[in-house]
Amino acid sequence: GAVVSQHPSWVICKSGTSVKIECRSLDFQATTMFWYRQFPKQSLMLMATSNEGSKATYEQGVEKDKFLINHASLTLSTLTVTSAHPEDSSFYICSVRAPYGGTEAFFGQGTRLTVV
Amino acid sequence: KQEVTQIPAALSVPEGENLVLNCSFTDSAIYNLQWFRQDPGKGLTSLLLIQSSQREQTSGRLNASLDKSSGRSTLYIAASQPGDSATYLCAREGGSEKLVFGKGTKLTVNP
Repeated sequence: GAVVSQHPSWVICKSGTSVKIECRSLDFQATTMFWYRQFPKQSLMLMATSNEGSKATYEQGVEKDKFLINHASLTLSTLTVTSAHPEDSSFYICSVRAPYGGTEAFFGQGTRLTVV
Repeated sequence: KQEVTQIPAALSVPEGENLVLNCSFTDSAIYNLQWFRQDPGKGLTSLLLIQSSQREQTSGRLNASLDKSSGRSTLYIAASQPGDSATYLCAREGGSEKLVFGKGTKLTVNP
């Protein structure tokens, strides 16, 4: 069964609006979740590390004020794309790691964002 | 810069053929390497995880090997089936829990 649930699976929004994407860890509590982005024919690139109860850690080149991350509970992290523009159109996907020292990474279904 | 390269970028084979997908990485200080499958517009499904102390892992018709000294991993698929058609991604972890992905190999298995 699914370990990670991501919602919505796709969304179309108007330029200038904000979009929230949810990532839920279903099988275990996750103090850390990861947000990746994938442009067409490109690799998945890590955007930020979401930490429960503290600020997210952003990768170089990722605007923290544009991509707001909230890790409100041990099973939920949200990514909000603020003031979205067409260049933000991409596939966003979250990941959690197996607990108790586990190294396997599990991914959500991904969210296809299209900004028009 | 950590880089992961996957060759070939695309592969088309007839059903039943055995095939090998290649993954190379520039940093030999690897913590683990994981292979994933991605169907069009979908998320990633974990296939095999090889920890740095291991040389290979097997699951059904899949076998993945890891050679840290040469910076290479291979994914072997035996007796390929049309249902194996997907993009296969490899990702390395250097110990920070962050995964660095290759661009993937798009596999098409023709009936």
